[in-house]
Amino acid sequence: ETGVTQTPRHLVMGMTNKKSLKCEQHLGHNAMYWYKQSAKKPLELMFVYNFKEQTENNSVPSRFSPECPNSSHLFLHLHTLQPEDSALYLCASSQGSTGELFFGEGSRLTVL
Amino acid sequence: GENVEQHPSTLSVQEGDSAVIKCTYSDSASNYFPWYKQELGKRPQLIIDIRSNVGEKKDQRIAVTLNKTAKHFSLHITETQPEDSAVYFCAAVNAGNMLTFGGGTRLMVKP
Repeated sequence: ETGVTQTPRHLVMGMTNKKSLKCEQHLGHNAMYWYKQSAKKPLELMFVYNFKEQTENNSVPSRFSPECPNSSHLFLHLHTLQPEDSALYLCASSQGSTGELFFGEGSRLTVL
Repeated sequence: GENVEQHPSTLSVQEGDSAVIKCTYSDSASNYFPWYKQELGKRPQLIIDIRSNVGEKKDQRIAVTLNKTAKHFSLHITETQPEDSAVYFCAAVNAGNMLTFGGGTRLMVKP
């Protein structure tokens, strides 16, 4: 157990649904990340938050909306997704932007 | 921005043999190079890292080398075992503290 938990572990949704992925870290870190993992791009950075402030948005479509209410919680709100958005979404945290990344188990998303 | 290339994308070795994975980076100001291992169905985990003021670092059967002039770094695994089978990711952190991953290498160790 690395101290980063993600829910749900699996999610199936239609293209018109709205859902959210949740990440919580119990490590006292100040940076949190969303990564997308698919066969085409094994570890693709989506968003970075440092001290609750978004510092990186890697040209992610607006149908993905992150939220970081505090330094321990990170959400990814999903709306009107496409089948090509099906992937494993990994949350990670670190102490500072150059610290070791601690990943969660991931949320496996399937868009029908 | 930084660009990290990783080769090979797949690597198959016999148990007991050595495995080498190579990465190149584009930003000469990058100064920190971690390696992550992701076993099937599990999360990526840091296995070893190296900073730009060091040319080589070793931890039991795993070693990493760095050539700053050529802007490449490599992971070496000796005496491979079946449990070394996984996807390995190299990464580079540049002066702006942005981490960029390579494309990953799927290592298969055949018993």
